[in-house]
Amino acid sequence: SQKIEQNSEALNIQEGKTATLTCNYTNYSPAYLQWYRQDPGRGPVFLLLIRENEKEKRKERLKVTFDTTLKQSLFHITASQPADSATYLCALDRGGNNRKLIWGLGTSLAVNP
Amino acid sequence: EPEVTQTPSHQVTQMGQEVILRCVPISNHLYFYWYRQILGQKVEFLVSFYNNEISEKSEIFDDQFSVERPDGSNFTLKIRSTKLEDSAMYFCASRARADTYGYTFGSGTRLTVV
Repeated sequence: SQKIEQNSEALNIQEGKTATLTCNYTNYSPAYLQWYRQDPGRGPVFLLLIRENEKEKRKERLKVTFDTTLKQSLFHITASQPADSATYLCALDRGGNNRKLIWGLGTSLAVNP
Repeated sequence: EPEVTQTPSHQVTQMGQEVILRCVPISNHLYFYWYRQILGQKVEFLVSFYNNEISEKSEIFDDQFSVERPDGSNFTLKIRSTKLEDSAMYFCASRARADTYGYTFGSGTRLTVV
């Protein structure tokens, strides 16, 4: 069955540094890979979607890479701020007419002032 | 910015009782979903809904679960006879047709079965 692994440990970084989060998966070939932010007690908030034929996607301070050979995505937040502290979820999306998301457990990020 | 609205935010119910969780998806979205997240665990797919019918349902979505879009705006999840293990956050989500869009999730309903 499919397996999605994200950084198992919580990530603590200093404000202004770049946070890098990892998502690895097995036994799946997603058409898209998505990243979401989740705050405690809240629903996931969509951040970025990258297609299987794309290597990199950027949005403001966010950058996602996608390597379908390694079955890995990296999610970067540059110039991190305390407000970026949250759990970040990786989700695989099979695409097509009948899309659904398969989720990782998430990585908790704390940005210290 | 358009939002997916879920009510109630918190529901406590006795085991064996029926609950209805309500959602108002974004008005021009066409695809609707229910996901759930048990505390400390991954978000799990329950069901997808398109064109007034279920597109797919997971193993979790057994005969005790049903969904309905009764009036073109609301989207409901009914659990007929709740069990303790149904306690979780339930998220409604919707998305537009375009492939490049992600999903918009509601803030969730925390269901506690006692």
